[in-house]
Amino acid sequence: DAGVTQSPTHLIKTRGQQVTLRCSPKSGHDTVSWYQQALGQGPQFIFQYYEEEERQRGNFPDRFSGHQFPNYSSELNVNALLLGDSALYLCASSPKVYQETQYFGPGTRLLVL
Amino acid sequence: QKEVEQNSGPLSVPEGAIASLNCTYSDRVSQSFFWYRQYSGKSPELIMSIYSNGDKEDGRFTAQLNKASQYVSLLIRDSQPSDSATYLCAVIDLTGGSYIPTFGRGTSLIVHP
Repeated sequence: DAGVTQSPTHLIKTRGQQVTLRCSPKSGHDTVSWYQQALGQGPQFIFQYYEEEERQRGNFPDRFSGHQFPNYSSELNVNALLLGDSALYLCASSPKVYQETQYFGPGTRLLVL
Repeated sequence: QKEVEQNSGPLSVPEGAIASLNCTYSDRVSQSFFWYRQYSGKSPELIMSIYSNGDKEDGRFTAQLNKASQYVSLLIRDSQPSDSATYLCAVIDLTGGSYIPTFGRGTSLIVHP
């Protein structure tokens, strides 16, 4: 049973560029949440997708957008990258939207130069 | 704005000792509490969840919850060097229908031989 997978594992971009991160949820899960974890901080909630719609959103600017596909996989897009966007981006899946327990993927480490 | 406070540490304990990790939260309506372990460069892994006042034991781990004092703790008995990691506390407020956890910044634990 495959767990949550994310790609790529590492990414280096320059300021102003755009990036797309991908996530496949654990088998049987239909809800995907994205988090940003800066160095030395806890994960900060970006948004959650269920039934291909954004259901909840944290305190992140519109430069952060996402998508969920019919197979429940998801993408996180960040436009106009800033140095402060450098972080570990975590995807978490859960069996349904009203589910407290989330399973995290390995993360994508983004470095913005 | 919900806040979850943890001492960033590091907390250093000798092998075989009891490690005590503490977490306080600001929102009295928080109802679900979680401890995650995060090894350096890896994603968070759920260790324990607790919902009611008192203690909950799972192997060498014991979670303690005191809602009146708004704190939750994690005890690790017979600490091993492999327990060296950052421990994240997370809380969920279910009253608003959101199942999104708020994380603390984590406490770094070092278990030395």
